[in-house]
Amino acid sequence: NSKVIQTPRYLVKGQGQKAKMRCIPEKGHPVVFWYQQNKNNEFKFLINFQNQEVLQQIDMTEKRFSAECPSNSPCSLEIQSSEAGDSALYLCASSPKDTQYFGPGTRLLVL
Amino acid sequence: GDQVEQSPSALSLHEGTGSALRCNFTTTMRAVQWFRKNSRGSLINLFYLASGTKENGRLKSAFDSKERYSTLHIRDAQLEDSGTYFCAAEAGYNQGKLIFGQGTKLSIKP
Repeated sequence: NSKVIQTPRYLVKGQGQKAKMRCIPEKGHPVVFWYQQNKNNEFKFLINFQNQEVLQQIDMTEKRFSAECPSNSPCSLEIQSSEAGDSALYLCASSPKDTQYFGPGTRLLVL
Repeated sequence: GDQVEQSPSALSLHEGTGSALRCNFTTTMRAVQWFRKNSRGSLINLFYLASGTKENGRLKSAFDSKERYSTLHIRDAQLEDSGTYFCAAEAGYNQGKLIFGQGTKLSIKP
């Protein structure tokens, strides 16, 4: 169904450490989204890109996360200083125009 | 803020029967997607609708932007339909950001 690739599948970090995850969108999809899904199945939009440009991001992402989608390289999402509350499934989705196709996610555990 | 209310939160069906899931929106949405979370935890695309209805096999979905709701109908349920279903809506001004419902855990019993 989806050809979005996310690595790593699992990530364990200590509080204060950096946590970096990557996403390869489907070929030909210029728009990339990052979402956070918590253990209660609640989804939170984090940031989206069109090609290399940020379209929209929430405050938390602006302050504690860094994200980029360079041309010819995977997109990445990095938490600068992990907190326990960051433990969640991080989902990347790509879109050719309207429909979003999701990757399997990176499950982050912050100890 | 904009919200998506999905119901029911859980649903149990016997094989061969059917039912409907519903999402209500607090504001006018531009489009809706329906997903099923598979056993590996991946979100599988079921439908994208900007209006009207779509059908795929035993699944049918409808979206009414004006009345602010979407439905997913399942007929002749099979064991492999078990899983958690999510609707996600896109507000017109949000540059594609999806607002997800809370999910419906569907269990199919023999």
